[in-house]
Amino acid sequence: SAVISQKPSRDICQRGTSLTIQCQVDSQVTMMFWYRQQPGQSLTLIATANQGSEATYESGFVIDKFPISRPNLTFSTLTVSNMSPEDSSIYLCSVKFGGNSPLHFGNGTRLTVT
Amino acid sequence: ILNVEQSPQSLHVQEGDSTNFTCSFPSSNFYALHWYRWETAKSPEALFVMTLNGDEKKKGRISATLNTKEGYSYLYIKGSQPEDSATYLCASATDKLIFGTGTRLQVFP
Repeated sequence: SAVISQKPSRDICQRGTSLTIQCQVDSQVTMMFWYRQQPGQSLTLIATANQGSEATYESGFVIDKFPISRPNLTFSTLTVSNMSPEDSSIYLCSVKFGGNSPLHFGNGTRLTVT
Repeated sequence: ILNVEQSPQSLHVQEGDSTNFTCSFPSSNFYALHWYRWETAKSPEALFVMTLNGDEKKKGRISATLNTKEGYSYLYIKGSQPEDSATYLCASATDKLIFGTGTRLQVFP
């Protein structure tokens, strides 16, 4: 298993501003995943963050809106840029230790955009 | 089925009742089926990862079955307790994990 520290745990932001979410893992992992859950919706994968290369974004998500950094094998950040109320969601980072192993999640960041 | 669907959306039961929920997923290109429990203000916690048709897994009072040919999985909770109150998520793994919207369970003492 892994201990995943995610911060901030919650924030209230004004539209047009940006928020950077940090995710720290207590062990080295190749891939880190960023998910969001909008109210009433399922957990949706935003992107996969690989160390040493650009993140891979899912359909509907773009780097300009959700830039991701992955400077080393234990840390990643997700920035939600130029926020609008539609970005109000729970954002989760997660890791996996290969094969059919389950995802391990951080505690999430509850973002409200006013 | 193109998406992962869970039913019911929410469930309220009395302490001691047994309950079950359903997860339906695309049966083509199936790789694995995950179940997670997500308590409020905590991180989602993995319950089971299932890969084989007919597989049945158990963890305490919680068990799950898998039918990959027809594309469904059942999660059972025997003798529900208030601490079982959470949202239960399933996810189908093909080239990535696709999550359902979850079943929100509330167990009343």
